[in-house]
Amino acid sequence: LAKTTQPISMDSYEGQEVNITCSHNNIATNDYITWYQQFPSQGPRFIIQGYKTKVTNEVASLFIPADRKSSTLSLPRVSLSDTAVYYCLVKGGSYIPTFGRGTSLIVHP
Amino acid sequence: NAGVTQTPKFQVLKTGQSMTLQCAQDMNHNSMYWYRQDPGMGLRLIYYSASEGTTDKGEVPNGYNVSRLNKREFSLRLESAAPSQTSVYFCASRKPTGVAIGETQYFGPGTRLLVL
Repeated sequence: LAKTTQPISMDSYEGQEVNITCSHNNIATNDYITWYQQFPSQGPRFIIQGYKTKVTNEVASLFIPADRKSSTLSLPRVSLSDTAVYYCLVKGGSYIPTFGRGTSLIVHP
Repeated sequence: NAGVTQTPKFQVLKTGQSMTLQCAQDMNHNSMYWYRQDPGMGLRLIYYSASEGTTDKGEVPNGYNVSRLNKREFSLRLESAAPSQTSVYFCASRKPTGVAIGETQYFGPGTRLLVL
């Protein structure tokens, strides 16, 4: 199973940019990197997915270096509603998706 | 288009009782998953079904059984509930991808289970 490592928690303030980094040293050649967001009492929600370099959508950006052993989720100008747990997911060649503990982001006023 | 639905939303069981958690998706996805999430923990995969008619064990299958009834429905059964199975259970389905092993799952709202 592919193992990912993320910070357990992060704090930020409204209007700031937040970067959450995930390490995945044993990522397989064909694997994509996917990030999910989970609010309390809800199921996780897909945010963004990428393979290499940079991907941007209306919610976030994902930066992936050339060696693909890590990735960084960037949330521009966070608001209180971005307070959630963020999961980095890499399947690592196995069919079993593995969610770690995720990163608990708290945005303060 | 309701996405992924789960029933019931809440359930209280006594140790030794049995129950089935229901999950259905209307997105024509092939793969479906059952996870459990304990307080302060990430999601752990219990069972998954890559396609209709197939099921496989995930990370924590002990104490559970599953049935992929058809393409839409994937149920999780606890034959003899134990307090250690108190958790929030999420069902998910996966959007088909191409050659690369992408991973876009759609989750249901969850079932909160308390076993006394």
